[in-house]
Amino acid sequence: DTAVSQTPKYLVTQMGNDKSIKCEQNLGHDTMYWYKQDSKKFLKIMFSYNNKELIINETVPNRFSPKSPDKAHLNLHINSLELGDSAVYFCASSQGVSLSTDTQYFGPGTRLTVL
Amino acid sequence: AQSVTQPDIHITVSEGASLELRCNYSYGATPYLFWYVQSPGQGLQLLLKYFSGDTLVQGIKGFEAEFKRSQSSFNLRKPSVHWSDAAEYFCALDPSGGYNKLIFGAGTRLAVHP
Repeated sequence: DTAVSQTPKYLVTQMGNDKSIKCEQNLGHDTMYWYKQDSKKFLKIMFSYNNKELIINETVPNRFSPKSPDKAHLNLHINSLELGDSAVYFCASSQGVSLSTDTQYFGPGTRLTVL
Repeated sequence: AQSVTQPDIHITVSEGASLELRCNYSYGATPYLFWYVQSPGQGLQLLLKYFSGDTLVQGIKGFEAEFKRSQSSFNLRKPSVHWSDAAEYFCALDPSGGYNKLIFGAGTRLAVHP
């Protein structure tokens, strides 16, 4: 069973388009995250939701909008895609918000390429 | 500013050899530190973490890491590498006091020769 799954795995699109990436976890966790990994492999947190409420919102363009329809899902919608949005996007989940007790489990990533 | 530096972009070792991956951090207080591994096409998996107490931390898959405050380091070690250890390794710091706001290093890619 896949604990944290993301769809699609690969996404190639044109500049200016709007796209969504979906994430689902079947671990019963309360907290979910989106990370962006750029071409230099730097991983940076974008958003975090706990019980469907936004708790971390890093400096991210407002073209990026996370949506959590329920605790098991955290989708990422991106409007007006730009070349610089090309990256690998990782979803993760954890039981709670404390890293001292709650391990983050990562999905396999979605590679987004904007042409 | 908080940051994590992994000086080695790529390391190659022979199977059975020992391994040490370097990680240096910049943070004003006692850090929460982590090592993650990313196998090709997979998400990140937590190897081990340090919060306080014993500075030598044991993790999964035979890995360990040692926190050295004087050197601002948290190097990952394994006494005998297996071919299946070939992967990307990420060191990370949580500056939010354990509230899941990880800052990652750029990663070290490990290749293992048979």
